[in-house]
Amino acid sequence: AQSVSQHNHHVILSEAASLELGCNYSYGGTVNLFWYVQYPGQHLQLLLKYFSGDPLVKGIKGFEAEFIKSKFSFNLRKPSVQWSDTAEYFCAVIPTSGTYKYIFGTGTRLKVLA
Amino acid sequence: KAGVTQTPRYLIKTRGQQVTLSCSPISGHRSVSWYQQTPGQGLQFLFEYFSETQRNKGNFPGRFSGRQFSNSRSEMNVSTLELGDSALYLCASSLGPTQETQYFGPGTRLLVL
Repeated sequence: AQSVSQHNHHVILSEAASLELGCNYSYGGTVNLFWYVQYPGQHLQLLLKYFSGDPLVKGIKGFEAEFIKSKFSFNLRKPSVQWSDTAEYFCAVIPTSGTYKYIFGTGTRLKVLA
Repeated sequence: KAGVTQTPRYLIKTRGQQVTLSCSPISGHRSVSWYQQTPGQGLQFLFEYFSETQRNKGNFPGRFSGRQFSNSRSEMNVSTLELGDSALYLCASSLGPTQETQYFGPGTRLLVL
């Protein structure tokens, strides 16, 4: 069955530390990949997405993610986190053919200490 | 443009009752998807509607059903509520099929006692 794994459930960092959140998926075909973020008290919103082309994609607020097809991974990175990055981050995958179902990871709660 | 709206925002029901949740997508969006969000489980896909037709369904029992109207508004119904149905129910809309970016509403928080 298709699945998305986010291995880090809770991450605590100090401001200015670097961030990398892991995301791995299991699906043999072509997929579109997303990172969504949910700030405290706010809606889920898109952080960045990859459909095709350059596997290094840049999103809002200085976030970027790299798609490594051979590793089925789409890790999220930020060189220097801020207190305002405290949120829950979800990786999501959707096949481009077949089931067309969004599959979300279980999320990673990031807490950034001021 | 107004975002995705969901009503009601909060609901308290007792076991055995039924509930109907409503979602109004962003104007012009024709696809609406529903998710159940619980701590530790993340977002679980319930179903997706596109142009009034259910395109996909997740692995939920038949107690969970939905529909979409000609104006793209969608409703989700849960019958014979169980304690385990307590969750945040999220609606998301997109312009076309769900390979595209989804825009999420604030959710309806359902508590089943």
